[in-house]
Amino acid sequence: DVKVTQSSRYLVKRTGEKVFLECVQDMDHENMFWYRQDPGLGLRLIYFSYDVKMKEKGDIPEGYSVSREKKERFSLILESASTNQTSMYLCASASSGLGNQPQHFGDGTRLSIL
Amino acid sequence: ILNVEQSPQSLHVQEGDSTNFTCSFPSSNFYALHWYRWETAKSPEALFVMTLNGDEKKKGRISATLNTKEGYSYLYIKGSQPEDSATYLCATEYGNKLVFGAGTILRVKS
Repeated sequence: DVKVTQSSRYLVKRTGEKVFLECVQDMDHENMFWYRQDPGLGLRLIYFSYDVKMKEKGDIPEGYSVSREKKERFSLILESASTNQTSMYLCASASSGLGNQPQHFGDGTRLSIL
Repeated sequence: ILNVEQSPQSLHVQEGDSTNFTCSFPSSNFYALHWYRWETAKSPEALFVMTLNGDEKKKGRISATLNTKEGYSYLYIKGSQPEDSATYLCATEYGNKLVFGAGTILRVKS
């Protein structure tokens, strides 16, 4: 079974802090994704990566950056956390050739910015 | 940004009832349609990935159909059980990204 592990289930940080959310997958997947989920909205794509050191902006990249130094690890960085970044963050991975390939998700990190 | 819509927003049914949800998506440039189940305190789990018009897939009591020409998919649950309570998400694929609907929350009362 694919395992996608997010470093924290719950995280509380203060406004202005630099925040790192880590994600590791164990299935050698090329593609990795970061989403946020807010009440009443679907999962919204922040950034994704299709290879080591490669990244592409998703639909809501403002205020975030990412890092993918190794194939198995994809980090989401909040450069200067703000209260509107309080949300549930989900990491996912998928093999390349996304057609017919489902995404595999981590358990999520519920992040609160005070 | 593509618009994927799901209805209803939420649904409460009794144990044993059969139910269905709808996912609507733009039919142009269609590539694939995904369904996921997301139970509370767990990670979203893939149910189906469908690509062909007229596709039907089944997993136990859950099945899905796809109409790519008119841009919709139905998810059916036969004989709902309390363990079916979850948020059901659909997503359409474009490029190598997914665009998700807001989900349908299903609550099954025993």
